[in-house]
Amino acid sequence: KAGVTQTPRYLIKTRGQQVTLSCSPISGHRSVSWYQQTPGQGLQFLFEYFSETQRNKGNFPGRFSGRQFSNSRSEMNVSTLELGDSALYLCASSLGDMSNQPQHFGDGTRLSIL
Amino acid sequence: AQSVAQPEDQVNVAEGNPLTVKCTYSVSGNPYLFWYVQYPNRGLQFLLKYITGDNLVKGSYGFEAEFNKSQTSFHLKKPSALVSDSALYFCAVRDPGWAAGNKLTFGGGTRVLVKP
Repeated sequence: KAGVTQTPRYLIKTRGQQVTLSCSPISGHRSVSWYQQTPGQGLQFLFEYFSETQRNKGNFPGRFSGRQFSNSRSEMNVSTLELGDSALYLCASSLGDMSNQPQHFGDGTRLSIL
Repeated sequence: AQSVAQPEDQVNVAEGNPLTVKCTYSVSGNPYLFWYVQYPNRGLQFLLKYITGDNLVKGSYGFEAEFNKSQTSFHLKKPSALVSDSALYFCAVRDPGWAAGNKLTFGGGTRVLVKP
């Protein structure tokens, strides 16, 4: 069974640009969550999508947005990039049925802002 | 609000010795607790979870964790560490309520270095 796939693995952007990251969950998983990982702030929850609806949201500015498609694939968009947005962005999927099953993570997209 | 603390930034242990990575949590109600491991340039890999039941939970790669409700702790243990266990370990908590969804709150991480 294929794991969570995130594309691209690496991205280099400049300040002011926007970027879109993609996540394909494990087959059958309906929940997709996004996390930001930085050396200073650690792992922080961005948002969760379940059945194409945002179910939960972390404390990030509106420049960070996401969506989920009918096949459960998800995209995350960051507009007007800032230097502080440089991070590893991790996607995690789970069944989403509020069972006790764990989330499974992809290998992330490393975003560097110049 | 829920929170997780991992009091040690780094743990050094000799190969073959017991390994313990500490985690304490703060959450209202009964939490779901998880341990994940991260290797360089990789995502998080699930090790084990505590939902309910036996306080001693066994997971992948010989790891286990002990849930202690009175001390609000969920320490990760391995009886005999391997060099390949060197990695970054994260403890996480999830509120079991529907409104919280699958949101995980993570500790700051503990780097484990196992020396040959």
